[in-house]
Amino acid sequence: KQEVTQIPAALSVPEGENLVLNCSFTDSAIYNLQWFRQDPGKGLTSLLLIQSSQREQTSGRLNASLDKSSGRSTLYIAASQPGDSATYLCAVRRKNTDKLIFGTGTRLQVFP
Amino acid sequence: DGGITQSPKYLFRKEGQNVTLSCEQNLNHDAMYWYRQDPGQGLRLIYYSQIVNDFQKGDIAEGYSVSREKKESFPLTVTSAQKNPTAFYLCASSQASAGANVLTFGAGSRLTVL
Repeated sequence: KQEVTQIPAALSVPEGENLVLNCSFTDSAIYNLQWFRQDPGKGLTSLLLIQSSQREQTSGRLNASLDKSSGRSTLYIAASQPGDSATYLCAVRRKNTDKLIFGTGTRLQVFP
Repeated sequence: DGGITQSPKYLFRKEGQNVTLSCEQNLNHDAMYWYRQDPGQGLRLIYYSQIVNDFQKGDIAEGYSVSREKKESFPLTVTSAQKNPTAFYLCASSQASAGANVLTFGAGSRLTVL
């Protein structure tokens, strides 16, 4: 059974810091991995998607890496801003299925 | 603008009542999903549909029902059989074909049982 874990559960940092959010999964037979952002009381916004054959994806100040063999992905946020405050979730799509398995998220607060 | 519309945003229900949450998308996506989100837990899959007139149970389907009569619509009914229905419900859609399969979410519906 695929399990997805995110560490830390919560993180509070001053503006300008570079951050690393971690996501680990137990079954390496994945099709892809997605990182999402969720603002309080809102739906999820897809940030980055990494196919199983890729090592990383970048979008602006965000960089996501994938090490499938070790069951890990990291989301790197450069030069954090208060507007980055949100919950960040990762989700893996298992091979031969249309299902996503979500982690419990990391709640990030960036203060001025 | 293309997207997913969920309604209502907030819903209150008395115990024993069925309620239906609406989900409409104009993205021309084949696949649609319903997730439930509880505090401190990841999203859990209730039902999903990869094509019109077909749907599959997810991990927590008991007490819920769905229909997929049109490509753009995937309503979720929370029945009285669902023992703990108070939660935040999220609808999503994606292209069913292999590839990027980016998931697009609606804004969610918060159901509270009184």
